[in-house]
Amino acid sequence: AQKVTQAQTEISVVEKEDVTLDCVYETRDTTYYLFWYKQPPSGELVFLIRRNSFDEQNEISGRYSWNFQKSTSSFNFTITASQVVDSAVYFCALTFTGGGNKLTFGTGTQLKVEL
Amino acid sequence: GAVVSQHPSRVICKSGTSVKIECRSLDFQATTMFWYRQFPKKSLMLMATSNEGSKATYEQGVEKDKFLINHASLTLSTLTVTSAHPEDSSFYICSARRRGHPDGYTFGSGTRLTVV
Repeated sequence: AQKVTQAQTEISVVEKEDVTLDCVYETRDTTYYLFWYKQPPSGELVFLIRRNSFDEQNEISGRYSWNFQKSTSSFNFTITASQVVDSAVYFCALTFTGGGNKLTFGTGTQLKVEL
Repeated sequence: GAVVSQHPSRVICKSGTSVKIECRSLDFQATTMFWYRQFPKKSLMLMATSNEGSKATYEQGVEKDKFLINHASLTLSTLTVTSAHPEDSSFYICSARRRGHPDGYTFGSGTRLTVV
């Protein structure tokens, strides 16, 4: 069975602070994909990144960066110099080949960025 | 980019009535569509997987007779909540699998259902 844990239910930061959202996953498969999505108050899911299990390179995209570590089964997401527009719920998700391509979501982290 | 159009975005219905939610893939063929349900401040829970032209596969605990899913074409999947009750009030969101696309999945914008 696969599982995604986002231990941080809610994080509040002041604008311009850096913030890291944690994601720990469990799967028995060697080939899997990890995702991060942003869900603003409007409800739609915004794709942020997909990473396959064979690519442990960290990724940076503007103020966003991701740290994938298979040794600790973690795929953490950092926002640098946070902005109010970053306020949203962030979900980490996992899928694996042979699992019907179903996405398993973590419980989400509510990020509040205040002025 | 890939777009999945989901309608309606909001719907209020009376208890006992049925509500249909549509998801259309606008610029690609969606052979597989996933339907999720999300309670307030909760995660997305997969309800069912539908493949074009075949019966949907429901997750454990999801009543197939209550949540009817039809995937009759490569561009349209529908979820019908039958005999809706207040406890069915929730946010429903569809997702289409997109082979070969970097995102992997394209999500609809969601439907907020309120049953009164």
